[in-house]
Amino acid sequence: GNSVTQMEGPVTLSEEAFLTINCTYTATGYPSLFWYVQYPGEGLQLLLKATKADDKGSNKGFEATYRKETTSFHLEKGSVQVSDSAVYFCAEGGGTSYGKLTFGQGTILTVHP
Amino acid sequence: SAVISQKPSRDICQRGTSLTIQCQVDSQVTMMFWYRQQPGQSLTLIATANQGSEATYESGFVIDKFPISRPNLTFSTLTVSNMSPEDSSIYLCSVEDNTEQYFGPGTRLTVT
Repeated sequence: GNSVTQMEGPVTLSEEAFLTINCTYTATGYPSLFWYVQYPGEGLQLLLKATKADDKGSNKGFEATYRKETTSFHLEKGSVQVSDSAVYFCAEGGGTSYGKLTFGQGTILTVHP
Repeated sequence: SAVISQKPSRDICQRGTSLTIQCQVDSQVTMMFWYRQQPGQSLTLIATANQGSEATYESGFVIDKFPISRPNLTFSTLTVSNMSPEDSSIYLCSVEDNTEQYFGPGTRLTVT
């Protein structure tokens, strides 16, 4: 079956540092790609998404570009804040239903002042 | 956007018992999904529930262990049957609404 692989965590950064969390997928064709975030004590929220090759999803200063040639969807942010501390999940979903998502293992991000 | 509530938010249960988790959505949706998030791990899809038909289970999950009901377009239940400590997880309800995917707050289950 399909799988999604995220970089090993946890990731610890100082405030205003640059963030990259790598994500690669194995699904063939053109799945939709997502980044979800889970803040401490809260539910899972969609952070950004891209539905076709070369699309760039962006939200709250985070960006990710759908790279079909490398089957990747790396998450980046130029300057992280303490409030970005959370668990980040990469996911892919194909076909007519986005609901059947395959998630990566999650990356814990901690940002220190 | 769809707003999802789940009950209970958490529970501690004894092995061998069953727990039914409720999921309520504030709008009518065709497809509802149940996921499991085991401690320190990612989310895994358990099953897809469409109103008016039997749930479709993913590999490794069976109806006898995780019976699902979907009586209408805004509600679903997942039962975790004959629980063991390995069932300790967060169970999340999810819906697809206008091509967006929304998740409930989750039910944190601990089996002792």
